[in-house]
Amino acid sequence: DTGVSQDPRHKITKRGQNVTFRCDPISEHNRLYWYRQTLGQGPEFLTYFQNEAQLEKSRLLSDRFSAERPKGSFSTLEIQRTEQGDSAMYLCASSRSGTLSSGNTIYFGEGSWLTVV
Amino acid sequence: QKEVEQDPGPLSVPEGAIVSLNCTYSNSAFQYFMWYRQYSRKGPELLMYTYSSGNKEDGRFTAQVDKSSKYISLFIRDSQPSDSATYLCASGGSYIPTFGRGTSLIVHP
Repeated sequence: DTGVSQDPRHKITKRGQNVTFRCDPISEHNRLYWYRQTLGQGPEFLTYFQNEAQLEKSRLLSDRFSAERPKGSFSTLEIQRTEQGDSAMYLCASSRSGTLSSGNTIYFGEGSWLTVV
Repeated sequence: QKEVEQDPGPLSVPEGAIVSLNCTYSNSAFQYFMWYRQYSRKGPELLMYTYSSGNKEDGRFTAQVDKSSKYISLFIRDSQPSDSATYLCASGGSYIPTFGRGTSLIVHP
């Protein structure tokens, strides 16, 4: 049973370029989350999917950000026209279906570090 | 005011000490409580999960929840240098956990 896998682990890009991160969740998990974490802060929710349906998006997810999960398996998070303020660690997490108040919980990947120069 | 608050520390203790990490939350609808450990430049690792008031123990770790005061604690017994990390508490409603900013713990030999 492999954990949540994220790729790439590190990305340095120039301001204005587009970047894409990929997440492969734990195989039997049908819920997938994206969070963003900056230095000294906790993870902040961006969006989550139940299978291929994107069920909720945070106000942090500006129109330059788009997330997809086309077949309900892996997911991609794309950032267009990157800005220096986008520099952060982008975390993917997954969980089984069912509410988190029923004993279910979420498991994180190792994150994808983005540096915009 | 953030929905989940933690003192960022750092908290520095000698090896073998009992560590107390604390967290408060403001939303009465929050139903579950989790503690994650995060090493530098790594993803958070789940340590403890609970959804009721009271204590839950797992090895050297004990999670304590007081819903009446919206107060969450994590105790670490016999702390080790390898416990040096940032500890994140999280809570939420049905589907989306909200995280605190984390408390940095340093256990020195």
